[in-house]
Amino acid sequence: AQTVTQSQPEMSVQEAETVTLSCTYDTSESDYYLFWYKQPPSRQMILVIRQEAYKQQNATENRFSVNFQKAAKSFSLKISDSQLGDAAMYFCAYSHGLTGANSKLTFGKGITLSVRP
Amino acid sequence: DTGVSQNPRHKITKRGQNVTFRCDPISEHNRLYWYRQTLGQGPEFLTYFQNEAQLEKSRLLSDRFSAERPKGSFSTLEIQRTEQGDSAMYLCASSSRWQDQPQHFGDGTRLSIL
Repeated sequence: AQTVTQSQPEMSVQEAETVTLSCTYDTSESDYYLFWYKQPPSRQMILVIRQEAYKQQNATENRFSVNFQKAAKSFSLKISDSQLGDAAMYFCAYSHGLTGANSKLTFGKGITLSVRP
Repeated sequence: DTGVSQNPRHKITKRGQNVTFRCDPISEHNRLYWYRQTLGQGPEFLTYFQNEAQLEKSRLLSDRFSAERPKGSFSTLEIQRTEQGDSAMYLCASSSRWQDQPQHFGDGTRLSIL
């Protein structure tokens, strides 16, 4: 079975600074997708960024980028120029590649990010 | 795109009662997922539908849980004889049939068992 591990329960960053959230996963598959989802307090979960395992290039979305290390099974999220609105719980998630990005997601426990003004 | 809609937002009930939640997916999405999220944890997969067919169920989905998606549109999740351990946030997500499209989540239904 696939597992996703987020070992840091909480992190804090100063506004405008950069922060990196860690995630490791375990799978025997070679084709899969990895995601970072953001869940603000009492609000819906939204997709931040995703990475296809077959792509060597790290995904980027504006201030968000990932460091995907396939051999190490590591998938970290870097948030640059942190903003107050980035404060939320962040979940790392995995899905099989055979059924594409539509298959069920396996989530980590999440990390609570706070942003200091 | 009006987003995934879940009702009710919050349900409080006594132990032993039955509850039913509804999810309306994004209209053109043919896949629909249910997840359960307990406090301080990540969501856990419960079940998913492609159109009206329920294609996979988690072992977490005991025989007290049943989900339906008649006509491949909205879905309902029913819990019979609720227990304290059923207290959680129940999340619904939907996605299109195109493999490069991710899941979109609703706001969830928070279930509290007294």
